[in-house]
Amino acid sequence: AQSVTQLDSHVSVSEGTPVLLRCNYSSSYSPSLFWYVQHPNKGLQLLLKYTSAATLVKGINGFEAEFKKSETSFHLTKPSAHMSDAAEYFCVVGGGYNKLIFGAGTRLAVHP
Amino acid sequence: NAGVTQTPKFRILKIGQSMTLQCTQDMNHNYMYWYRQDPGMGLKLIYYSVGAGITDKGEVPNGYNVSRSTTEDFPLRLELAAPSQTSVYFCASSWDRPGTGELFFGEGSRLTVL
Repeated sequence: AQSVTQLDSHVSVSEGTPVLLRCNYSSSYSPSLFWYVQHPNKGLQLLLKYTSAATLVKGINGFEAEFKKSETSFHLTKPSAHMSDAAEYFCVVGGGYNKLIFGAGTRLAVHP
Repeated sequence: NAGVTQTPKFRILKIGQSMTLQCTQDMNHNYMYWYRQDPGMGLKLIYYSVGAGITDKGEVPNGYNVSRSTTEDFPLRLELAAPSQTSVYFCASSWDRPGTGELFFGEGSRLTVL
């Protein structure tokens, strides 16, 4: 069975400082992993996805994530936060045919 | 190109009332989904469809029904609304099955049952 755990429900950073959002997964086979972003009162938008190609995945808006099989992690990072990055972020694992398992979400606050 | 469009954006229902959340997509996607989002819980799959005429239950289907008569439309029916159905509902679509491809989401429908 597949599962996903986002280790922080809230993260607060200052503008211009690095962002780290942590995600651990459990999967009985090689997983597909995704990060989605949800801005207030909007639908979710794909940031990036890992599907067994390169372990370092680059996404939109300067975000990237590294797949680490030994640590069962897929943490999301960005070198320098911008005010517009304030949103909720969801780590998602492919859970079998036609199934996606969503993490509980991490709310990112960015302060001036 | 509107993507995924949901209506209504907001609705208040009384216990026992029924309603339909509308969802339409203009990307000719085969796969469509209904999720509900509760605070601190992530998204839970209610129903999904792999093409016109084919639907299947997700994790939390009780109290809901769906139909898929066309590729574009995937309405969600709530029968006998209960306070436990207070949530934000998202419709999504994808070209490929969800483990492979990107899901495109609507902006959500916020439902309150009183």
